[in-house]
Amino acid sequence: QKEVEQNSGPLSVPEGAIASLNCTYSDRGSQSFFWYRQYSGKSPELIMSIYSNGDKEDGRFTAQLNKASQYVSLLIRDSQPSDSATYLCAVSGVTGANSKLTFGKGITLSVRP
Amino acid sequence: AAGVIQSPRHLIKEKRETATLKCYPIPRHDTVYWYQQGPGQDPQFLISFYEKMQSDKGSIPDRFSAQQFSDYHSELNMSSLELGDSALYFCASSSPSQPVGGYTFGSGTRLTVV
Repeated sequence: QKEVEQNSGPLSVPEGAIASLNCTYSDRGSQSFFWYRQYSGKSPELIMSIYSNGDKEDGRFTAQLNKASQYVSLLIRDSQPSDSATYLCAVSGVTGANSKLTFGKGITLSVRP
Repeated sequence: AAGVIQSPRHLIKEKRETATLKCYPIPRHDTVYWYQQGPGQDPQFLISFYEKMQSDKGSIPDRFSAQQFSDYHSELNMSSLELGDSALYFCASSSPSQPVGGYTFGSGTRLTVV
């Protein structure tokens, strides 16, 4: 079993809709959780980080974490065509700095104009 | 703002050749990470350095080696290249003042082995 699973996708939503991206992880000791956006051929770009259970909102993005269920999600409100990209869920096992990330395979999101 | 600089951007090598990828971290960042991303795959952690010492090691083949120099730049040396080494290689850097995982990736080096 892969440590970070992103099984749904590709995902297509109309412009203005809410896109919901899901991720599960296997290591209960995981402490830090991230969503990266990656355009084709480009490097990953951090868009959200979350460390405690609950919701965290930043603009049109909301990250949700449930450590009991080992589940983290990303909601994108008012989706725009420019949001079309691959979204990578990433997990780290420590809370200190300088820690490697374990990535999921990513979900490709397409926002239809 | 200065970003993570990687060179070269593109590299084409033949099987069994050697390649060297370079990474220049953001100024005052003391930690460098290397990731490999194959076509349609997620980034795989290779190795990291903190204050010029190896801090963690992932799925890096024995044919690869890396180091961090006194100016904090890092080089990934790849020998006896195989077709399967064709991938995007990303470098990222961080500092203790940054939140965990909040590091910045460079633009990557696309290595093609023919």
